[in-house]
Amino acid sequence: GNSVTQMEGPVTLSEEAFLTINCTYTATGYPSLFWYVQYPGEGLQLLLKATKADDKGSNKGFEATYRKETTSFHLEKGSVQVSDSAVYFCALNSNDYKLSFGAGTTVTVRA
Amino acid sequence: DSGVTQTPKHLITATGQRVTLRCSPRSGDLSVYWYQQSLDQGLQFLIQYYNGEERAKGNILERFSAQQFPDLHSELNLSSLELGDSALYFCASSVDGRSNYGYTFGSGTRLTVV
Repeated sequence: GNSVTQMEGPVTLSEEAFLTINCTYTATGYPSLFWYVQYPGEGLQLLLKATKADDKGSNKGFEATYRKETTSFHLEKGSVQVSDSAVYFCALNSNDYKLSFGAGTTVTVRA
Repeated sequence: DSGVTQTPKHLITATGQRVTLRCSPRSGDLSVYWYQQSLDQGLQFLIQYYNGEERAKGNILERFSAQQFPDLHSELNLSSLELGDSALYFCASSVDGRSNYGYTFGSGTRLTVV
């Protein structure tokens, strides 16, 4: 079935560093791809999405490009802040009805 | 505030007991999804309802059941609770019951079974 694999954490960075979280997927057809973020004590929030190949999703300085040739959707941010400390989840829609999530990557940004 | 409301936020109960978790979807959303988040299993899809009817079922135990009411709120019932049922339970909603554009999550109910 459809699934995602994302890099394991935890990831610890200094403020203003470059962040990359790798995500690859296995799917039949053409799934939509998502990044969700979970701040401490909160639910998941949709960070960005891409619905077809070569689409770039972006939000709050984060970007990810839907790469069909490498089956990837890596999340990047050029200059992280302490407030970006959170757990990041890559996800895809396994069918029309549900999203399947990766294991999550914990990111800690130090001042 | 995402617009998806879950109650209670925290629940502590003993093994063997039964609890009910409640979810009110975002205004205008017809579909509700339930997920379980635990440290060892990650985010697991449990069940989906669309406009009152069950649409998809995931890794939901027979001890668990859910329903969606005519006002579109949903309840997840967990019975004969075990220590391993301790987890965060999330509800999410979407307009049309399709996942192509993602959906909106509530802040979750943290269940602790002692």
